[in-house]
Amino acid sequence: DIQMTQSPSSLSASVGDRVTITCRASQSISSYLNWYQQRPGKAPKLLVYATSTLQSGVPSRFSGSGSGTDFTLTISSLQPEDFATYHCQQSYSNSFTFGPGTKVDIK
Amino acid sequence: QLQLQESGPGLVKPSETLSLTCTVSGGSISTSDDYWGWVRQPPGKGLEWIGSAYYSGSTYYNPSLRSRVTISVDTSKNHFSLKLSSVTAADTAVYYCAKWYSSSVGKYFDYWGQGTLVTVSS
Repeated sequence: DIQMTQSPSSLSASVGDRVTITCRASQSISSYLNWYQQRPGKAPKLLVYATSTLQSGVPSRFSGSGSGTDFTLTISSLQPEDFATYHCQQSYSNSFTFGPGTKVDIK
Repeated sequence: QLQLQESGPGLVKPSETLSLTCTVSGGSISTSDDYWGWVRQPPGKGLEWIGSAYYSGSTYYNPSLRSRVTISVDTSKNHFSLKLSSVTAADTAVYYCAKWYSSSVGKYFDYWGQGTLVTVSS
């Protein structure tokens, strides 16, 4: 199985801050990396697929980059509605795995 | 707009079989690029993919759960189902049904149900 790790596991930030979350795969997954946002008590929501393509309706302050084993999700200017947990997920193989999540909360 | 809705018992006894159904509305379950699956999240923990199925019957399962999982698609009712046998307290989680879209640039879960909490307890 491909293992996914994320760092940090949590972070505190202020509205307007630039936030970067890192995701690492245990082997190369090319660009088959997706990001989801999950607000408390809600289902995950697709933000970015194929490393850097924003899902329809996702604000442009979100961006994704990377390839191979190392990937990042960046929020250029944190907004109040962005306080949530972010999960990465690989789809390189048909046995999908998620990262453990990064919780972004208010400083 | 596609919608997915989970249904099934919220409480299951240890050693029994957990059964959930996901009803799809606003679209057909027989779409060629769509797969249908389940993801779970134990309280306070991360997401775990359980498995997925194609309308034709093909299935993909998490290797760690494969021996206990069956996912099936019923095109006549436009729904799909999960069965997880021999459950223990470790299977207590919120269970989400989700649609996996297969594109030329990758596969991703683009629609999710609201989730249903299943507790394993006697």
